[in-house]
Amino acid sequence: GIQVEQSPPDLILQEGANSTLRCNFSDSVNNLQWFHQNPWGQLINLFYIPSGTKQNGRLSATTVATERYSLLYISSSQTTDSGVYFCAAKTNTGNQFYFGTGTSLTVIP
Amino acid sequence: DAGVTQSPTHLIKTRGQQVTLRCSPKSGHDTVSWYQQALGQGPQFIFQYYEEEERQRGNFPDRFSGHQFPNYSSELNVNALLLGDSALYLCASSSGQGRGQPQHFGDGTRLSIL
Repeated sequence: GIQVEQSPPDLILQEGANSTLRCNFSDSVNNLQWFHQNPWGQLINLFYIPSGTKQNGRLSATTVATERYSLLYISSSQTTDSGVYFCAAKTNTGNQFYFGTGTSLTVIP
Repeated sequence: DAGVTQSPTHLIKTRGQQVTLRCSPKSGHDTVSWYQQALGQGPQFIFQYYEEEERQRGNFPDRFSGHQFPNYSSELNVNALLLGDSALYLCASSSGQGRGQPQHFGDGTRLSIL
């Protein structure tokens, strides 16, 4: 299977600050998603982004498939952005989704 | 339009018992995958069901088994429970085995083994 690595593992931000989360993957993928897991354990879909750039409000994501990485940008962070952010990827040769180890984000007021 | 629903939300069992978790996929989805998420870790793939068959399996023992019904809903069964099986169990649904399609997750079942 593929290796999915996320950085940084932990991030503490002041409310209003911007941040960039990174996801590296070791093989070509046909499916890449970003999720936010809230303190209650719910995994919320943020982006389905196997390639290209998407934006949704204060969040945006870019995947450069040829270089095997994806970035999640959070602008003007709010306390409700706190939680763990996961990227997950799937290759062309299988049906298994591989998750990274996550970035734990804490936004302080 | 209901999303992915899982039941029960919480469950407490003792070692050696058996448990069944249930999942109803999002409307229009035909593929169900199950994940185990231990505390502080990312979700780990258990297996995927499509057309009522197990299509792929992760690195989990045979104590973990599943089923998919004609209406695409699915069950996860775990036999001979161990303390290490305590985790959040997540169900995800997609269409077409998730190839080129996003997965949508349910809220999970939190299983505690005493």
